[in-house]
Amino acid sequence: AQKVTQAQTEISVVEKEDVTLDCVYETRDTTYYLFWYKQPPSGELVFLIRRNSFDEQNEISGRYSWNFQKSTSSFNFTITASQVVDSAVYFCALSEKSGANSKLTFGKGITLSVRP
Amino acid sequence: GAVVSQHPSRVICKSGTSVKIECRSLDFQATTMFWYRQFPKKSLMLMATSNEGSKATYEQGVEKDKFLINHASLTLSTLTVTSAHPEDSSFYICSARGPARGEPQHFGDGTRLSIL
Repeated sequence: AQKVTQAQTEISVVEKEDVTLDCVYETRDTTYYLFWYKQPPSGELVFLIRRNSFDEQNEISGRYSWNFQKSTSSFNFTITASQVVDSAVYFCALSEKSGANSKLTFGKGITLSVRP
Repeated sequence: GAVVSQHPSRVICKSGTSVKIECRSLDFQATTMFWYRQFPKKSLMLMATSNEGSKATYEQGVEKDKFLINHASLTLSTLTVTSAHPEDSSFYICSARGPARGEPQHFGDGTRLSIL
């Protein structure tokens, strides 16, 4: 069975600080996909990134960067120079199958508060 | 990017009322749509998976007769909460994805349902 663990539940930082959100996953499959979603206070889930199990390249998008390490089954997310608008709940998710019906297993989410 | 529209965003109604929530993919054909329920400060709980033209597949513990799902076209799925009671009050969120391998799920804005 697949599992996603986000051990941090709440993180509070001051604006401009860097912050890393941890994600550890478990799966028996060799082919899988990892995702990060952001849920701001308004409620909608915003897709941030998808990474497949064969691509361990780290990715940077503006202030966001992701570190995927298969050796430790981790897919961590770093926000550089955090801003108040980054305040949200962040979910890491795993999908074992690539088919249309593939389900997402979500972690419990990390509530990030960025204070001015 | 892919856009999913969910309507209504908020419903307040009396106990015993049936409530219909719509989920539309606006700029892509959604092979599969998913319905989730989210309790306050909790992660998303998958309720059911629906494919266009087929019966929905419900997760264990989710009452089929209580939560009716119809996926009549490649762009529309509906969730009807029948004879709603206060314990059905929750945040319901849909997602949609296309058929491409590893395609991410794109989420609607959610519906906050309050049963009095």
